[in-house]
Amino acid sequence: GENVEQHPSTLSVQEGDSAVIKCTYSDSASNYFPWYKQELGKRPQLIIDIRSNVGEKKDQRIAVTLNKTAKHFSLHITETQPEDSAVYFCAASNGDYKLSFGAGTTVTVRA
Amino acid sequence: DAGVIQSPRHEVTEMGQEVTLRCKPISGHNSLFWYRQTMMRGLELLIYFNNNVPIDDSGMPEDRFSAKMPNASFSTLKIQPSEPRDSAVYFCASSLGSGEGEKLFFGSGTQLSVL
Repeated sequence: GENVEQHPSTLSVQEGDSAVIKCTYSDSASNYFPWYKQELGKRPQLIIDIRSNVGEKKDQRIAVTLNKTAKHFSLHITETQPEDSAVYFCAASNGDYKLSFGAGTTVTVRA
Repeated sequence: DAGVIQSPRHEVTEMGQEVTLRCKPISGHNSLFWYRQTMMRGLELLIYFNNNVPIDDSGMPEDRFSAKMPNASFSTLKIQPSEPRDSAVYFCASSLGSGEGEKLFFGSGTQLSVL
């Protein structure tokens, strides 16, 4: 099955700086890569996703890049704000129902 | 739409007791998922239903766990008997179910503590 590895496990950044989280996947058939944000005590919520026919996608301060050859994808958050503090999960699927989640990255934005 | 609704939000029970978690998916969604979240194991898929039919229950830990979806608007996850190692947050999620890699909508979760 699919194996998704996520790094780093924790990330502390100064407000206004950028944050980058990287994930690698094992199944070359994977074609859908969502990112979920989970605030403390809350539910995971989708913040951005990318499909394998696209190399990059951006939504305001967040962007995701995909390198199919290397089988890795990354989340970039620019101009970080305190409300960006949360746990971020990457995931991958081959287009069916089953999402394989990474272990999560705890992002702390220091004021 | 109220989103995916789960109940209860918190459940504290004693080892050996039966626990039933409930979920109402988003209306019109054909796929329903039960996940378990722990610090050690992260988000684990327990079971997946499509059009009320269990498609993949390979993630159900053992026979103490069972799940049902009697209709399109309701699902239950039951643990009988419960054990302390079952303590976790249990999320229900739903999606449109077109089978092409889709956005999952999670419920607020049930925080289960088995003493």
